[in-house]
Amino acid sequence: EVQLVESGGGLIQSGGSLRLSCAASGFSVSDHYMNWVRQAPGKGLEWVSVIYPGGSTYYQDSVRGRFTISRDKSKTTLQMNSLRVEDTAVYYCARGVSSSSYYHIFDYWGQGVLVSVSS
Amino acid sequence: QSALTQEASVSGTVGQKVTLSCTGNSNNIGTYAVGWYQQISRGAPKTVMFGNSLPSGIPDRFSASKSGTTASLTISGLQPEDEADYYCSTWDDSVSARVFGGGTKLTVL
Repeated sequence: EVQLVESGGGLIQSGGSLRLSCAASGFSVSDHYMNWVRQAPGKGLEWVSVIYPGGSTYYQDSVRGRFTISRDKSKTTLQMNSLRVEDTAVYYCARGVSSSSYYHIFDYWGQGVLVSVSS
Repeated sequence: QSALTQEASVSGTVGQKVTLSCTGNSNNIGTYAVGWYQQISRGAPKTVMFGNSLPSGIPDRFSASKSGTTASLTISGLQPEDEADYYCSTWDDSVSARVFGGGTKLTVL
């Protein structure tokens, strides 16, 4: 059974750093497109970052240069530096569909972890 | 401002068929497959469709289609447990990123 479990969230002051982890089970993270998606309070879903099976990484413009996505055997990590108040959100780990036609679509989601950035 | 446009709210009665839309352009929906996600009470999203495919465990009253630059999610035989926010997503060439619609709040009357 595929499971994604996030951890590492919390309350942090503006300018600080946090490291989010997404523990995966039931599949190999290196075989899939692994994403982070966030949802600010009262807002919709927003894609943040992805790491491809080959190791390439991509970011949304607002986090590029501040966030870094990486992975090891069974975990995907999002290192968040220079955090801003507007980064406050629930962060979800989401797996991309294993298909050349649907790889940009998400099939499994974690339960989410809250990141609160105070001024 | 979301790259994809969804209705803010849609409502229907139990047993009714409802259709939610997601409008984009040639850089996104016009070229790439669309995913649909259900979020109940701000919990974790759940994927209900990817392209025209139904994920395991999702009832077959959910279906999806696409025409040009508009994608649609249809729920046939609406059930009380279908009340949720629904989001669409796809890839967008103009921003080289995965993009979401703003979400539709579906109310079951």
